[in-house]
Amino acid sequence: ETGVTQSPTHLIKTRGQQVTLRCSSQSGHNTVSWYQQALGQGPQFIFQYYREEKNGRGNFPPRFSGLQFPNYSSELNVNALELDDSALYLCASSRQGAGETQYFGPGTRLLVL
Amino acid sequence: GQQLNQSPQSMFIQEGEDVSMNCTSSSIFNTWLWYKQDPGEGPVLLIALYKAGELTSNGRLTAQFGITRKDSFLNISASIPSDVGIYFCAGIQTSGSRLTFGEGTQLTVNP
Repeated sequence: ETGVTQSPTHLIKTRGQQVTLRCSSQSGHNTVSWYQQALGQGPQFIFQYYREEKNGRGNFPPRFSGLQFPNYSSELNVNALELDDSALYLCASSRQGAGETQYFGPGTRLLVL
Repeated sequence: GQQLNQSPQSMFIQEGEDVSMNCTSSSIFNTWLWYKQDPGEGPVLLIALYKAGELTSNGRLTAQFGITRKDSFLNISASIPSDVGIYFCAGIQTSGSRLTFGEGTQLTVNP
């Protein structure tokens, strides 16, 4: 148990719809990173939030957006869903300045039809 | 984008055997991490390495941070059935930054 929780666990959407995924970070952690994991592949970095500010972004289009709240929980929003967005979405929390270790939540499995 | 080359892609071994997998890159990483992922779950941290040359153990697992900072390996000794899963290496280039993952090693342990 990492203490990182994500909701929902599973989600089915259709092309063109919008989705919001949520993540609660581990107690004491101020940084949340989001990753997309396609079937059979390693996770790919989407973006990171540190103290409510974006702190880096991977190679994902602008329709992937997010935010972090004062309690350090975070949301990932994806607009205009495409079939290729079907994946496991993982969030990881960490504490800046206390080592680089990121702890992952169980993920949200998104299926786009 | 930046990738880590992880090998082997899959391994089929007998219970009790030792296992070795590695990760290489053309770029330098300042931190290496090894994770295990079971089906339908998030990756679970096994070992974190912060210094070149560092050798760290966690029970039957041992990992090393390569001297060149471009590689790392993970050994599992005396494998057991619950070792089954996908093992990922991950590296961090800049402090507090993103994880770059390898493609994973699928481990199967036959009782």
